Amino acid sequence: SQQGEEDPQALSIQEGENATMNCSYKTSINNLQWYRQNSGRGLVHLILIRSNEREKHSGRLRVTLDTSKKSSSLLITASRAADTASYFCATAGFQKLVFGTGTRLLVSP
Amino acid sequence: EAGVAQSPRYKIIEKRQSVAFWCNPISGHATLYWYQQILGQGPKLLIQFQNNGVVDDSQLPKDRFSAERLKGVDSTLKIQPAKLEDSAVYLCASSFLSGGRGLETQYFGPGTRLLVL
Repeated sequence: SQQGEEDPQALSIQEGENATMNCSYKTSINNLQWYRQNSGRGLVHLILIRSNEREKHSGRLRVTLDTSKKSSSLLITASRAADTASYFCATAGFQKLVFGTGTRLLVSP
Repeated sequence: EAGVAQSPRYKIIEKRQSVAFWCNPISGHATLYWYQQILGQGPKLLIQFQNNGVVDDSQLPKDRFSAERLKGVDSTLKIQPAKLEDSAVYLCASSFLSGGRGLETQYFGPGTRLLVL
């Protein structure tokens, strides 16, 4: 079964705006990873945050992790049309990497 | 550095036929994964290899799906016989560090889109 659940399922914004998507999970994790998937293509790793970290930055991406609430958020600042994609969180526990259902982001010019 | 290669990119078959997918991971990556991604869902792990041994195949429908990784490099995933519900994208991924299960960054191939009619 899917452990992570992303919210919202779909998000539509204008170029230059910020996009925030959230991920909730159910069990203890070792780390949480975010991936991007462009239409019809494979997944690309964006960022990994470990369970003892609270915030991490990579370029225009900012990820937070709250293990007490079992939730994470991905913020994309100053979005571009090229950011249009599906974004998945994936939780890494003891057993395997489990992907959520994803957030579909549409950035309009 | 070359990425994960997969073939074919697309496949259309009729139910009860068989099909095979091929994956070549990034050179030096010990761990190889096969995922099934049904439309509108996230990828689901089917099987994980470390070198040429199976680490996790708990979600592989073993009555119809099989996978092998000869010599710890290339891998093939086979479905025989295929069902309508097998229509999905099959993704192969690899990671460098061995040992941890799903703990490392995974690098994905472009996937094989399968349609079963």
